[in-house]
Amino acid sequence: DAGVIQSPRHEVTEMGQEVTLRCKPISGHNSLFWYRQTMMRGLELLIYFNNNVPIDDSGMPEDRFSAKMPNASFSTLKIQPSEPRDSAVYFCASSFQGAYNEQFFGPGTRLTVL
Amino acid sequence: GENVEQHPSTLSVQEGDSAVIKCTYSDSASNYFPWYKQELGKGPQLIIDIRSNVGEKKDQRIAVTLNKTAKHFSLHITETQPEDSAVYFCAASMSGNTPLVFGKGTRLSVIA
Repeated sequence: DAGVIQSPRHEVTEMGQEVTLRCKPISGHNSLFWYRQTMMRGLELLIYFNNNVPIDDSGMPEDRFSAKMPNASFSTLKIQPSEPRDSAVYFCASSFQGAYNEQFFGPGTRLTVL
Repeated sequence: GENVEQHPSTLSVQEGDSAVIKCTYSDSASNYFPWYKQELGKGPQLIIDIRSNVGEKKDQRIAVTLNKTAKHFSLHITETQPEDSAVYFCAASMSGNTPLVFGKGTRLSVIA
């Protein structure tokens, strides 16, 4: 089992540039979550999908953030334009929809916006 | 919405001693409580979870207890080892595929 796969692992970009983070959930899982981790705010949910449909995006900080899940095996989180305060570690997690949601996390993408 | 408080924020113990991390939650509808371990540069890893129909669960050196009346749950690590050093997060959610709400984390240091 390959686990949740995220790419890139590290991203350094300049303010104003577009950033795209990618996630491949565990095969067979049908829920996908995007989290952001910072020292100040801890782990925050940005958005989650059930069966490729966005359910709750209330955690997306601004219109600069968007997420898509075109199929069951791929999701993207895009920031356009990026700002220095977007610097954080972004995690993707997946789970199988059932009675309890055991979520499995990917290794994360460390984003630095200069 | 749900709010999860976690204490302490840092914890240092001598190797071989026990470590206890405590969390409280606000939403009485929550019924799933996982614990995650995060090592430096890695994603959080699920180490144990407890569901509202049980009060305690044990897996080797780690155990979790749940008090639904008081709305708190705890992680207990016995016979700590240096490799237990990491940041530990508690979380809570309702059943189904509702998102987890995380505590702020506890940085555990096990001193050899």
